Amino acid sequence: GQNIDQPTEMTATEGAIVQINCTYQTSGFNGLFWYQQHAGEAPTFLSYNVLDGLEEKGRFSSFLSRSKGYSYLLLKELQMKDSASYLCAVNDYKLSFGAGTTVTVRA
Amino acid sequence: GAVVSQHPSRVICKSGTSVKIECRSLDFQATTMFWYRQFPKQSLMLMATSNEGSKATYEQGVEKDKFLINHASLTLSTLTVTSAHPEDSSFYICSARGEVSDTQYFGPGTRLTVL
Repeated sequence: GQNIDQPTEMTATEGAIVQINCTYQTSGFNGLFWYQQHAGEAPTFLSYNVLDGLEEKGRFSSFLSRSKGYSYLLLKELQMKDSASYLCAVNDYKLSFGAGTTVTVRA
Repeated sequence: GAVVSQHPSRVICKSGTSVKIECRSLDFQATTMFWYRQFPKQSLMLMATSNEGSKATYEQGVEKDKFLINHASLTLSTLTVTSAHPEDSSFYICSARGEVSDTQYFGPGTRLTVL
């Protein structure tokens, strides 16, 4: 089966940094996605890691360690609009999603 | 980036009726489309995978006779919820993936409420 864990909630202050961890144990693995989902809306693509290491895209970075079954999404210079749910998803031809981490950014 | 549309965005229907949801990839050819369901405060659950021109592959526990999926072209897939009941009320989201990339692009979702 697929087991994907991420924290349920995180709170941070505007301008700060937050790191969302994701650990996984899955039967197959081709890569790991991070998506952002605002309430009542569909997920939007943030990043895709296939190889070990850090991928940086503006204020968002994502890291993968395949040997440890571990990834994190780093959000820098937090803005109020970053308040959303962040979904970690393992790609094994089809996607298996974690339960999502709700990030609340406070002024 | 790739754009996926979904129609309708919101539907309210009576118990026992059927509802059709359309998913279109607007600027790329989607060789594979996926249908998900999301209940409040829960993550996305994959219902089925469909490849253009072939039968959909349903996940365990999803009734294929209740959730009819058609993927007739490289830009259109439809999900029909037949004989809908209140427990089918949910947020239905499609995604599409092209030939070249692994990335799935999601439609805006359809909020179904069955009375």
